[in-house]
This record gives sequence, structure tokens and C-alpha cells, in this order.
Amino acid sequence: GQQLNQSPQSMFIQEGEDVSMNCTSSSIFNTWLWYKQDPGEGPVLLIALYKAGELTSNGRLTAQFGITRKDSFLNISASIPSDVGIYFCAVPGNTPLVFGKGTRLSVIA
Amino acid sequence: DVKVTQSSRYLVKRTGEKVFLECVQDMDHENMFWYRQDPGLGLRLIYFSYDVKMKEKGDIPEGYSVSREKKERFSLILESASTNQTSMYLCASRIPGTGIGYTFGSGTRLTVV
Repeated sequence: GQQLNQSPQSMFIQEGEDVSMNCTSSSIFNTWLWYKQDPGEGPVLLIALYKAGELTSNGRLTAQFGITRKDSFLNISASIPSDVGIYFCAVPGNTPLVFGKGTRLSVIA
Repeated sequence: DVKVTQSSRYLVKRTGEKVFLECVQDMDHENMFWYRQDPGLGLRLIYFSYDVKMKEKGDIPEGYSVSREKKERFSLILESASTNQTSMYLCASRIPGTGIGYTFGSGTRLTVV
């Protein structure tokens, strides 16, 4: 099946730092999604991208749909402790969503 | 807001037991999904259902079955629980209008001893 390569696997950062993570695929997609999972909860949709080259923001989060349609990036500016969690990229597969393996973010106050 | 409720947050079961994980959504969503989440492996699809009494195998259906007798309820069944089924189980329902976005439940952490 389709596979998404998400990196990095984990990150430890200081509060106030900016964060970048990305997701790549060997296939082309028309939609990229980013989810966040807080500790002990289910994932929640953060940002949806529908157009190649699109840059979309949600507060301190900014996501980009790669121009090749094979990748996407998520940036978090000025991280705070509540940014802790696992971030997943996802794309629509032939059937349900296909998820990357996640980036686990830890923020050190 | 759509709510997806998983009946138990934590479960401990013995090897060989039959286990039922229940998921209920409070909107009229046709589509429901079961995933398991393990460290380093992300979310893996077990089964999904596009409508009542319909079910489709996902990527890792072995050792599981499902039941969808009513639109709002999607049950995951472990016929004979094994220790390698110790995991976090997540149920999801599809948000109407987008065709792609999910609402997830809070998860059930199952431990099989």
C-alpha cells in the first residue's frame, strides 16, 4: 500500500524555538492533512491542504503542500509546552486515510 | 461538534478472552474506522465500514472482526485475545462534507496479560 515517510521521528526542543517537520511520498496526492495527537487523546485535524504550492496557517502553525504534490511540511513557530504531542501527516488513499508514522514533539520549558 | 465515544479508556484482559471494543458516534456518519497505534508504527488500519452491515478489511485485520448493526455503532472484536494485541485502539468517524477528514475517539488502551 501507499507509504508516507515522516521525519523526524522525534524532536526535543526548547520552549520558544521554531519546529519543522515533513512528510514525503513516492506517489502524487491532491490533498495533504496534518493531525495532532495530545497525550492520552485521539488525533485532531490541524490543517488541510488542497492545492500544490498552497501555504496555510492556523495560529502559530503553517503547513505547505509541496509543488511536486509528493510532500508536505509543517512548521510551528515559537513553541510552547502545549505543543507537546505526536504530529501525523495523512493523505487519502484508495480507501481510508493513510497516515505517516508520526513526529513526537517534546518541549522543554 | 461531532463526538466519537469509545466505551473504555483502559482495559485489561486475559489471553484467550473474547474482547469487545465499542465505538459510538453521535452524527449520522456512514463511515467508521478502527486503527491501532503502536510506538514507531503509527496508525494502522484494522477494519472499516462505509455503511450499516458493511465491513472491509484494512491493512492488519488478522485476529480481529467487526460488527456494524446500527449506523452509530461500530464494534471491534478480538475473538481470542493475545499479548501481541496489547495496543492503543482508535475509532474514527468521517466528517461530513469533506469526504476526507476524520473525527477520532479518545482511544482505548488494551493490555492483554
